[in-house]
Amino acid sequence: AQTVTQSQPEMSVQEAETVTLSCTYDTSESDYYLFWYKQPPSRQMILVIRQEAYKQQNATENRFSVNFQKAAKSFSLKISDSQLGDAAMYFCAWGLDAGGTSYGKLTFGQGTILTVHP
Amino acid sequence: DTAVSQTPKYLVTQMGNDKSIKCEQNLGHDTMYWYKQDSKKFLKIMFSYNNKELIINETVPNRFSPKSPDKAHLNLHINSLELGDSAVYFCASRLRSRATEAFFGQGTRLTVV
Repeated sequence: AQTVTQSQPEMSVQEAETVTLSCTYDTSESDYYLFWYKQPPSRQMILVIRQEAYKQQNATENRFSVNFQKAAKSFSLKISDSQLGDAAMYFCAWGLDAGGTSYGKLTFGQGTILTVHP
Repeated sequence: DTAVSQTPKYLVTQMGNDKSIKCEQNLGHDTMYWYKQDSKKFLKIMFSYNNKELIINETVPNRFSPKSPDKAHLNLHINSLELGDSAVYFCASRLRSRATEAFFGQGTRLTVV
């Protein structure tokens, strides 16, 4: 069974500084997708960034980037120049293509609460 | 023009009641999901429909019954509500034919008292 582990229940960062959230996963699949979702107090699940396992290049979205280590099954999220609005719970998620037998369901980690200090 | 919308956003009800949560997406997606987020914030898949056909049914009590009248709608009916059903329920959708991410609704916080 696929599992996703976020070992940091809580993290904090000063505004404008950089923070890295960790995620590891376990799978026997070779072609899959990884995601980071943000859940602010509003409860809405917002996609932050996605990574296709077949791509060696790490994904980047503005201040958000990932360090994807396929062999180590590690997928960390780096937030640069942290802003107060980044404060939220962050979930790492794993999934296969929706056209496959898992129909694209996501397996989530336990979440990491990120606090941003002014 | 919300992409995935759920109603209601909040639901407080007594044990033993039957309730429904509705979900609609206007993204043209063909696959929809229900996820449950428990009190510890853990998210887990419950059901998935593709083109109105049930394709994923995780280990969920029979009291939970999803229904998809068409590709754009997926409802969740819960019979004989129990205290342990209190959670946030998320609807999500995506296109099965493309390697795209899932879009989530804003969640329905269900409180059983």
